Amino acid sequence: GQNIDQPTEMTATEGAIVQINCTYQTSGFNGLFWYQQHAGEAPTFLSYNVLDGLEEKGRFSSFLSRSKGYSYLLLKELQMKDSASYLCAVKDSNYQLIWGAGTKLIIKP
Amino acid sequence: DSGVTQTPKHLITATGQRVTLRCSPRSGDLSVYWYQQSLDQGLQFLIQYYNGEERAKGNILERFSAQQFPDLHSELNLSSLELGDSALYFCASSVGDRVSYEQYFGPGTRLTVT
Repeated sequence: GQNIDQPTEMTATEGAIVQINCTYQTSGFNGLFWYQQHAGEAPTFLSYNVLDGLEEKGRFSSFLSRSKGYSYLLLKELQMKDSASYLCAVKDSNYQLIWGAGTKLIIKP
Repeated sequence: DSGVTQTPKHLITATGQRVTLRCSPRSGDLSVYWYQQSLDQGLQFLIQYYNGEERAKGNILERFSAQQFPDLHSELNLSSLELGDSALYFCASSVGDRVSYEQYFGPGTRLTVT
């Protein structure tokens, strides 16, 4: 079956760096997405990786290793507003998006 | 604002009833997706339409149905409602479906079944 694993919850300190991991096993691969979702709100797009390597976008970076079925989202200079759930999603060979359960990130002052 | 609109924002109804949720995609987007998210749960993909045709089905119950109209707006119909159907229902849209376009989510409809 298809599976995406992320930690359920992580805690980090304001101003610090946190890395949220995502491992996947899917039938084929056509890209990996990261979304941010604040409680009770809609998910919003953060990043997209289809080739191996690091994509940097301001305080957020996303890394992909297709051979290892692994990605991470790196958040730097954490702010209180970064407290949210982070969703990893992979497009499989049928271009269907398979979603992880999300990682709830708690930022402490 | 993602450009995706959903109505209503909130809906309270009783068990056994039927409701219709409506979604208008972003201008130019041909794909519409429906998701269910129960309290503190992940997104559950229900169904996708592309340019009026059903493209993919996820964990959608037989009591639920959807359609996409010629003007590309979509409706999700939920019938014989049960307490467990209480959830946030999101609609998302994207330009296409074959290529890896990101999805833009609407604000959601919060359904409460009492």
